[in-house]
Amino acid sequence: ETGVTQSPTHLIKTRGQQVTLRCSSQSGHNTVSWYQQALGQGPQFIFQYYREEENGRGNFPPRFSGLQFPNYSSELNVNALELDDSALYLCASSSWTSGNEQFFGPGTRLTVL
Amino acid sequence: AQSVTQLDSQVPVFEEAPVELRCNYSSSVSVYLFWYVQYPNQGLQLLLKYLSGSTLVESINGFEAEFNKSQTSFHLRKPSVHISDTAEYFCAVSNSGGYQKVTFGTGTKLQVIP
Repeated sequence: ETGVTQSPTHLIKTRGQQVTLRCSSQSGHNTVSWYQQALGQGPQFIFQYYREEENGRGNFPPRFSGLQFPNYSSELNVNALELDDSALYLCASSSWTSGNEQFFGPGTRLTVL
Repeated sequence: AQSVTQLDSQVPVFEEAPVELRCNYSSSVSVYLFWYVQYPNQGLQLLLKYLSGSTLVESINGFEAEFNKSQTSFHLRKPSVHISDTAEYFCAVSNSGGYQKVTFGTGTKLQVIP
């Protein structure tokens, strides 16, 4: 059984640029959630996708957007990057049968200069 | 709205001593509760979870947590810690129904001292 994978592992961008982060969910999981973890903080919920539709959103501006594909993999897109977007971005997959247990990937470390 | 409070940002403890990491939550609906562990430069790993049934839940590596509904707490305990337990621990809560948003606490860094 393949776990959750994320790419790239590290990324450096400059302010104002756009970035796309990718996530492959665990086999059998149809729900993907994205979290932002700033240094020294707990993860903050960005949004969740279920069957290719956004299924809930945290307190993040519209420049944070996402997609989920038919194979349940997902992308997180961030436009007009700001310095405060520097963080570890975590993807988690789950299914209704996993009892709300979310399985996390290793994360993508984004640095905005 | 839900929230999680982890009062202790850092907990130093000597090896083989017991430890308790505190977690309190707030929610207007029924919840599921989780403890996750994060080692340096890694993602989150589920340590244990409470969904229903027995209020005392255990992990395979000796940690346990007890769901106390009246005190809205889910404290994590281990009777004897090892160096390898040094990590950051996050308490989390989600709705027991509906979509699976998970709300995390700010984390507690457990530092095991040899």
